[in-house]
Amino acid sequence: GAGVSQSPSNKVTEKGKDVELRCDPISGHTALYWYRQRLGQGLEFLIYFQGNSAPDKSGLPSDRFSAERTGESVSTLTIQRTQQEDSAVYLCASVKGAYEQYFGPGTRLTVT
Amino acid sequence: KQEVTQIPAALSVPEGENLVLNCSFTDSAIYNLQWFRQDPGKGLTSLLLIQSSQREQTSGRLNASLDKSSGRSTLYIAASQPGDSATYLCAVFTGGGNKLTFGTGTQLKVEL
Repeated sequence: GAGVSQSPSNKVTEKGKDVELRCDPISGHTALYWYRQRLGQGLEFLIYFQGNSAPDKSGLPSDRFSAERTGESVSTLTIQRTQQEDSAVYLCASVKGAYEQYFGPGTRLTVT
Repeated sequence: KQEVTQIPAALSVPEGENLVLNCSFTDSAIYNLQWFRQDPGKGLTSLLLIQSSQREQTSGRLNASLDKSSGRSTLYIAASQPGDSATYLCAVFTGGGNKLTFGTGTQLKVEL
């Protein structure tokens, strides 16, 4: 009965480095979302996976951002050549049934 | 484009008060509306989900209503407690975009 988990919980990286964030959804949840929340701001949609369908990448802010998901399991969000404006909390949510989203605790990314 | 607004942005009340948080959205073609709470430095916890065909949902001291035609939802918190202090977010799921659009949140502080 574990919830959505994310790792790492905190990540500090130097500008220009690549980072990889991981999300483990709730077992059996078919869809998975990534969001970003900058300090003092609302959540921004990044990407959405549903089963084996092509992901909805419409929220990715630049081509430095990419995400993968294998089947209905783990997803990774990769940010290449990180910039200071990438600093934010990255939240993952998995979806049950009638679109009720369950969120993980997030990864706080700080780019120095 | 769906836009979600929450009023007030911040609210401070003494313990024991009943209170109402407001959420409005511009596109009434929604599948559902979800209320979350977010504690500082943590992820989101789902509180209530209202399907588009429903008028309200209740969980303990919380009651959420939905008036889809007017693009409004309210979250009613009865007999508020200091532990209710958090940011409350409302989000609407619009099927065409397959994603939640979040409001900017109401930061609630319940004082002893």
